[in-house]
Amino acid sequence: DAGVTQSPTHLIKTRGQQVTLRCSPKSGHDTVSWYQQALGQGPQFIFQYYEEEERQRGNFPDRFSGHQFPNYSSELNVNALLLGDSALYLCASSLNSYFSTDTQYFGPGTRLTVL
Amino acid sequence: SQELEQSPQSLIVQEGKNLTINCTSSKTLYGLYWYKQKYGEGLIFLMMLQKGGEEKSHEKITAKLDEKKQQSSLHITASQPSHAGIYLCGADEDAGGTSYGKLTFGQGTILTVHP
Repeated sequence: DAGVTQSPTHLIKTRGQQVTLRCSPKSGHDTVSWYQQALGQGPQFIFQYYEEEERQRGNFPDRFSGHQFPNYSSELNVNALLLGDSALYLCASSLNSYFSTDTQYFGPGTRLTVL
Repeated sequence: SQELEQSPQSLIVQEGKNLTINCTSSKTLYGLYWYKQKYGEGLIFLMMLQKGGEEKSHEKITAKLDEKKQQSSLHITASQPSHAGIYLCGADEDAGGTSYGKLTFGQGTILTVHP
């Protein structure tokens, strides 16, 4: 049973560029959440997708956008990259996290470096 | 919004020693999660606690949620080098299910176990 997968593993971009990160949820899961983890900090919630729509959003600017496909996989897009966007981006999947008890399983992350 | 504070920020122990990591919330905890993270990698789910006074164990790791549901502890018995990593507590923001699994995390506790 494949867990949550993310691609690419590492990415280097320059300021002002755009980036797309990808996530495939754990088999049987239909909800995908994205988190940003800066060095030495805990993950911060970016947004969550369910039924191909953004259901919840954290305190992140509109430069951060996403998409969920019919097969439940998801993309995170970041436009106009800033140096401060350098972080580990984590994808988590769960089964319809309407109830707070649904466990989120995390992928290995994508390390984004902005130069 | 909810804030989670972990203590200590870092911990260095000798193999075989017991240790405890604490997670304190400014608000009532609904769905408290413990994850382990190797540096620069994804989060590995350890345990989830919901009810006041609840206690769960897996191998040598025990997690507890206090009766008031504002503090959780993670206890490791007879630590081993394999226990080394970053331990993160995360919690749902509210009780009514409307958080849809939007997790707030503590800053993490770095555990080093010397052989």
